[in-house]
Amino acid sequence: SQTIHQWPATLVQPVGSPLSLECTVEGTSNPNLYWYRQAAGRGLQLLFYSVGIGQISSEVPQNLSASRPQDRQFILSSKKLLLSDSGFYLCAWGVRADTEAFFGQGTRLTVV
Amino acid sequence: AQRVTQPEKLLSVFKGAPVELKCNYSYSGSPELFWYVQYSRQRLQLLLRHISRESIKGFTADLNKGETSFHLKKPFAQEEDSAMYYCAPRDNYGQNFVFGPGTRLSVLP
Repeated sequence: SQTIHQWPATLVQPVGSPLSLECTVEGTSNPNLYWYRQAAGRGLQLLFYSVGIGQISSEVPQNLSASRPQDRQFILSSKKLLLSDSGFYLCAWGVRADTEAFFGQGTRLTVV
Repeated sequence: AQRVTQPEKLLSVFKGAPVELKCNYSYSGSPELFWYVQYSRQRLQLLLRHISRESIKGFTADLNKGETSFHLKKPFAQEEDSAMYYCAPRDNYGQNFVFGPGTRLSVLP
């Protein structure tokens, strides 16, 4: 069966520090991968999606970047965090031929 | 531009009362439509999709193309239905999900 792992679950980082959140998927090949941010009162905002290794599309220009070094690995990064980067980050995957997205447990990021 | 609105941030109903969570979308073409739910301390998960026409946990959703709405309904709410609900159309290219802002449903005893 397919599973998705996302870590860490919580993270407190100072302003200006770097960020790396990792997401891996098991049990499927060539999935579509997504990073979302869930800010209080604003719902889910799509940040990045990827349809293949090295293929990243950005939905919202910002202080973050994403990379897909392997088929089932998706990384969200920042060189210097801002206070406004605080939020709940969700990784998700979906199969092209299917229509459902499967979500990780999420990472609660607090920038202080 | 693709847009999804869920006008109610918070909806409180009493147990046994009917509940309707509103969703309106603005899309070109005919998007696929989904409802996702996030219970406390659990992952965001699929509740139902329009194309399957299923009733999940007593919930149904009717697509009204004229009004571009996909409201979620349940005739008798239960306390365990308390959760965050997101309406999510899938765009014409089948690659992305755009989520609405979400509605927090609170079912009171």
